[in-house]
Amino acid sequence: AQSVTQLDSHVSVSEGTPVLLRCNYSSSYSPSLFWYVQHPNKGLQLLLKYTSAATLVKGINGFEAEFKKSETSFHLTKPSAHMSDAAEYFCVVSPIYNQGGKLIFGQGTELSVKP
Amino acid sequence: EAGVTQFPSHSVIEKGQTVTLRCDPISGHDNLYWYRRVMGKEIKFLLHFVKESKQDESGMPNNRFLAERTGGTYSTLKVQPAELEDSGVYFCASSQLEGFGYTFGSGTRLTVV
Repeated sequence: AQSVTQLDSHVSVSEGTPVLLRCNYSSSYSPSLFWYVQHPNKGLQLLLKYTSAATLVKGINGFEAEFKKSETSFHLTKPSAHMSDAAEYFCVVSPIYNQGGKLIFGQGTELSVKP
Repeated sequence: EAGVTQFPSHSVIEKGQTVTLRCDPISGHDNLYWYRRVMGKEIKFLLHFVKESKQDESGMPNNRFLAERTGGTYSTLKVQPAELEDSGVYFCASSQLEGFGYTFGSGTRLTVV
């Protein structure tokens, strides 16, 4: 069975400082992993995805994530937070291709950015 | 291209009433998915359509929920009768390929009082 755990329900950083949102996954297979973001009253937007190519994945808005199989982690980072990064972030694992479209979401991490 | 559109954005109904949520996927996307997030919980899968057929409805909580996708275009999710625990945000997503390239809608926030 597949699962994903986001280790922090809320993270607060100051503008201009680094962001680290932690995610651990469990999967019997080599998974596809995603990070989505949801700004207030907006839809879920894909930040980046890992699909067994490069382990360091670059996404939109300066975010990146590193797939570490030995640690079963897929942490999301950004070198310098911006006020517009304040949102809720979801780590997501996908079943292997052709096994259905069901995404499995983590519990979400609320990111606050202080001026 | 137009995104995934969900109607209404908010709905407040009384326990025992019926509510119908609608999702318009991106044109040409055969795959349509419903997810929901109840208060304090993670977003969970409800079901998956391929065109007008239900591919996977393993996440539907009970028989008070009925999803349809007549003609393989838009989809509706009806809750009848609504219960307090149905409150949450219902998301719809569509994709061209199964399991890839999801685009999510903004969600419908349902409050049952």
